[in-house]
Amino acid sequence: EAGVAQSPRYKIIEKRQSVAFWCNPISGHATLYWYQQILGQGPKLLIQFQNNGVVDDSQLPKDRFSAERLKGVDSTLKIQPAKLEDSAVYLCASTQHRTALVATEAFFGQGTRLTVV
Amino acid sequence: AQSVSQHNHHVILSEAASLELGCNYSYGGTVNLFWYVQYPGQHLQLLLKYFSGDPLVKGIKGFEAEFIKSKFSFNLRKPSVQWSDTAEYFCAVNDNYGQNFVFGPGTRLSVLP
Repeated sequence: EAGVAQSPRYKIIEKRQSVAFWCNPISGHATLYWYQQILGQGPKLLIQFQNNGVVDDSQLPKDRFSAERLKGVDSTLKIQPAKLEDSAVYLCASTQHRTALVATEAFFGQGTRLTVV
Repeated sequence: AQSVSQHNHHVILSEAASLELGCNYSYGGTVNLFWYVQYPGQHLQLLLKYFSGDPLVKGIKGFEAEFIKSKFSFNLRKPSVQWSDTAEYFCAVNDNYGQNFVFGPGTRLSVLP
């Protein structure tokens, strides 16, 4: 089966510019996650969607980050304006199950490496 | 809130040496536990997972992990590492409610040929 698709793979922008990342999860996967992975650290959750609804965005810096999953399939994550500390790999992941109380694993995309200069 | 700690930041081993990477989590309820691996330039891949049942789980490439509930631990082991095991290893935990995956900081494994 096709995996989680992300684009672009790499992006270099200047601070205060805006940037958008795209993710297409595995077909049929209801839950989609965006993670930020700073060099030398583990992935940190930014936002979690179930279908097109937000489950958890408590760690999303909402003054500059936004995300949407309008049709419950693919998703975009935007940063506007970017800061130097946003330099990281942005990972998208998806899981299959549509309801809670069911254990499942997450499948990850290759990530987008963002460098803010 | 859940948190995950990993004992070692960087481990260096020679080929054929045995490996054990420590992982501890903090969460009082029922958890699901995972080890993910990230080879250089590749995406995170699942090595193994524990949902319930036998606390000793076997994964791909000869890896295994043991869940010790009383110690809140889920250590990863491999009896004999290979050069191709050079990668970053992440322990993760979630529950069946929020289903947010909380990751540890990772352990970088370097295997010398």
